[in-house]
Amino acid sequence: RKEVEQDPGPFNVPEGATVAFNCTYSNSASQSFFWYRQDCRKEPKLLMSVYSSGNEDGRFTAQLNRASQYISLLIRDSKLSDSATYLCVVPSSSNTGKLIFGQGTTLQVKP
Amino acid sequence: EPEVTQTPSHQVTQMGQEVILRCVPISNHLYFYWYRQILGQKVEFLVSFYNNEISEKSEIFDDQFSVERPDGSNFTLKIRSTKLEDSAMYFCASPGGFVTDTQYFGPGTRLTVL
Repeated sequence: RKEVEQDPGPFNVPEGATVAFNCTYSNSASQSFFWYRQDCRKEPKLLMSVYSSGNEDGRFTAQLNRASQYISLLIRDSKLSDSATYLCVVPSSSNTGKLIFGQGTTLQVKP
Repeated sequence: EPEVTQTPSHQVTQMGQEVILRCVPISNHLYFYWYRQILGQKVEFLVSFYNNEISEKSEIFDDQFSVERPDGSNFTLKIRSTKLEDSAMYFCASPGGFVTDTQYFGPGTRLTVL
């Protein structure tokens, strides 16, 4: 299994749709997980942190399944401004803070 | 959100030249990181720096790369003899708190090697 794996997409959805992205990770000892958002040629920006079973922030919900080593990100009521690449990120086991990034899932929200 | 700054935003250089990329991380932090992203590929870890020493480096971070903290606030990444394949976005990152906390990324330097 790759360290962090995501479906690259692209996901093309209409405004208002609900869309879910999945991510699997290989390090069963990981305690924290992150979703970052990256716009074209820009830096990754933190969207959500996940430390327990899940987290919710407005239209965004992240869920964690430790048994399956799987994290998901759900976006409800998609907006045009949600169009971006969503990066699943997991700290490495080295305890230096090194982050391991997935390939990213591209979302395109259309009017 | 805490701010990390980087300069320059874009650097164009000839193959074989030295480049220095600069970062001003979040103040009062001992941990700093450099990542790079080749166009169309995922973000890759280069090096972590703790208390003025490299704490971990990747296979990419070979002898051509070095990091320094020349003063109390700046953090630099030097590439001694650039290669075409060094063309990428280079991001500096600082954690928001403890080392396992979230990391905040600077806007990046786009390096183009001709």
